[in-house]
Amino acid sequence: GESVGLHLPTLSVQEGDNSIINCAYSNSASDYFIWYKQESGKGPQFIIDIRSNMDKRQGQRVTVLLNKTVKHLSLQIAATQPGDSAVYFCAETTAFAGGTSYGKLTFGQGTILTVHP
Amino acid sequence: KAGVTQTPRYLIKTRGQQVTLSCSPISGHRSVSWYQQTPGQGLQFLFEYFSETQRNKGNFPGRFSGRQFSNSRSEMNVSTLELGDSALYLCASSSATGTAQYFGPGTRLLVL
Repeated sequence: GESVGLHLPTLSVQEGDNSIINCAYSNSASDYFIWYKQESGKGPQFIIDIRSNMDKRQGQRVTVLLNKTVKHLSLQIAATQPGDSAVYFCAETTAFAGGTSYGKLTFGQGTILTVHP
Repeated sequence: KAGVTQTPRYLIKTRGQQVTLSCSPISGHRSVSWYQQTPGQGLQFLFEYFSETQRNKGNFPGRFSGRQFSNSRSEMNVSTLELGDSALYLCASSSATGTAQYFGPGTRLLVL
């Protein structure tokens, strides 16, 4: 039969606005989280990461917030630019679980960010 | 430093055929992971190799297999292709001590 695609959440903002992209993760044992940006026709690009012993981490124009109590992750992009338009994915992993689950990332469904000039 | 490279970038195959995809990790990276990306299922983990050993495996049928060579380059093979195997296949590498995975551009596979 027909395949049904994922219905990705969308976020539309004006250039210069701040953007907030949210992600609910599933595994309470996850101790390492990564945000990726994927542009059309390209592989996911690393943006920023955070370990479970942190609540907040800042990069250049981006901030990641982690709330372990409610298993929620957010990515804040300051002064959003048209070049930020892409699909954003959060990913979780148990990076230090005895070294046995080092390379397996579990991805969220993604959020489409559109930045209007 | 050169990024993760994948070859070929595009492939068209017919049902029942088999295919081999190649991935060269970032220099010095010893872990290579493979993912399948489709509109219906999103990004799904296939398997991970570290020092030529499969360390993790996702929930895919045995038709999907992989290997890693002593220079950390990796290949994945899909046998007896099905229409549903049409997807973007992504490879990612990470260092032994680092945890961030860096992705290649992917191989777009179309099965007719």
